[in-house]
Amino acid sequence: AQTVTQSQPEMSVQEAETVTLSCTYDTSESDYYLFWYKQPPSRQMILVIRQEAYKQQNATENRFSVNFQKAAKSFSLKISDSQLGDAAMYFCAYKDRGGSEKLVFGKGTKLTVNP
Amino acid sequence: DAGVIQSPRHEVTEMGQEVTLRCKPISGHNSLFWYRQTMMRGLELLIYFNNNVPIDDSGMPEDRFSAKMPNASFSTLKIQPSEPRDSAVYFCASSLSGDSYEQYFGPGTRLTVT
Repeated sequence: AQTVTQSQPEMSVQEAETVTLSCTYDTSESDYYLFWYKQPPSRQMILVIRQEAYKQQNATENRFSVNFQKAAKSFSLKISDSQLGDAAMYFCAYKDRGGSEKLVFGKGTKLTVNP
Repeated sequence: DAGVIQSPRHEVTEMGQEVTLRCKPISGHNSLFWYRQTMMRGLELLIYFNNNVPIDDSGMPEDRFSAKMPNASFSTLKIQPSEPRDSAVYFCASSLSGDSYEQYFGPGTRLTVT
């Protein structure tokens, strides 16, 4: 079974600085998707960014980018120019390609942004 | 466009009572997912449907839990009888069927069983 591990329960960053959240995963599949979701205090789950495993190029979405290392099964999220609104729980998630549609989540990292 | 709609947003009930959570997926989506979020176990899939048919219910904890999807625009998750350990936030999500489509989450139902 696939597993997702986020080893940092909490992180903090100063406003306008850069922070990197870590995620590792375990799978025997060669083709899959990886995601980062944001959950603010409102508890709404919001997709931040996704990566297809068959693409070597790292995904970027404005201030958010990932460092995808397939061989190491590592998928970190970098947030540049951090803003107060980035404060939230961040969840890394995995989904098979061509198999089950379910998302497998890590336990999350709570990000605090200090003014 | 309305997102995924869940009701109620909050539910407080006593142990032993029946609880029914409701979900209306985004119109046109044909995959529907129920997830549960707790501090101890994080976010985990309970069950998902494709075209109203249950595909994977391996996450349903026990026989006290049941889920139905009688049509493309409505699903329920029922707990009978409820127990304090069922206290959690229950999310419904929907998507178009297929690998590349995003799952859209509802606002969740916070269930407290006393």
